[in-house]
Amino acid sequence: EVQLVESGGGLVQPGGSLRLSCAASGFTFSSYWMSWVRQAPGKGLEWVANIKQDGSEKYYVDSVKGRFTISRDNAKNSLYLQMNSLRAEDTAVYYCARMNSGYDPDYWGQGTLVTVSS
Amino acid sequence: SYELTQPSSVSVSPGQTARITCSGDVLAKKYARWFQQKPGQAPVLVIYKDSERPSGIPERFSGSSSGTTVTLTISGAQVEDEADYYCYSAADNILGVFGGGTKLTVL
Repeated sequence: EVQLVESGGGLVQPGGSLRLSCAASGFTFSSYWMSWVRQAPGKGLEWVANIKQDGSEKYYVDSVKGRFTISRDNAKNSLYLQMNSLRAEDTAVYYCARMNSGYDPDYWGQGTLVTVSS
Repeated sequence: SYELTQPSSVSVSPGQTARITCSGDVLAKKYARWFQQKPGQAPVLVIYKDSERPSGIPERFSGSSSGTTVTLTISGAQVEDEADYYCYSAADNILGVFGGGTKLTVL
């Protein structure tokens, strides 16, 4: 069974940093692109970042470029999102998702809440 | 940048057909996916490649495409189908974008 479990969310002050993790199991993690998607309270879904199987390609939504870094450790079956210079508008539930061979986000974790507030 | 446009809400009675549209230039070149999200839950993929249904998704869910518009159709909508629905596509298959979401009410 495919499982994705996010962790690392919490309350952080504006300008602060946070590192999210996503532990994957039930599939060959190193064979899949992975994504981060977020959802602000009461709002819609927003794609944040993607990373290729070997980590050689990374892509970001414009609003997080230069502040967020997606990475992975295939030996640990883990996906990460390093978030720096956090802003109030980054407050959201952050989901990790697996992208299948058709680039469809087919499995999602339950999400971790990040709150940026003083 | 590019965007996908959905109606904010759709309402049908149980047993009726619900149709949710999604429009955007990227849809003329790239596949659409549809996600269902119920309150407090993670999104669930219900349609991919415009019209393909993942295993475990009821047959009443179908998708279609015409030019820059895709449509999610729920034939014989049930009360349990009440949820938010999001379309999604990706330029070059990598730069993702979601529609704003449609709240489906079945009552």
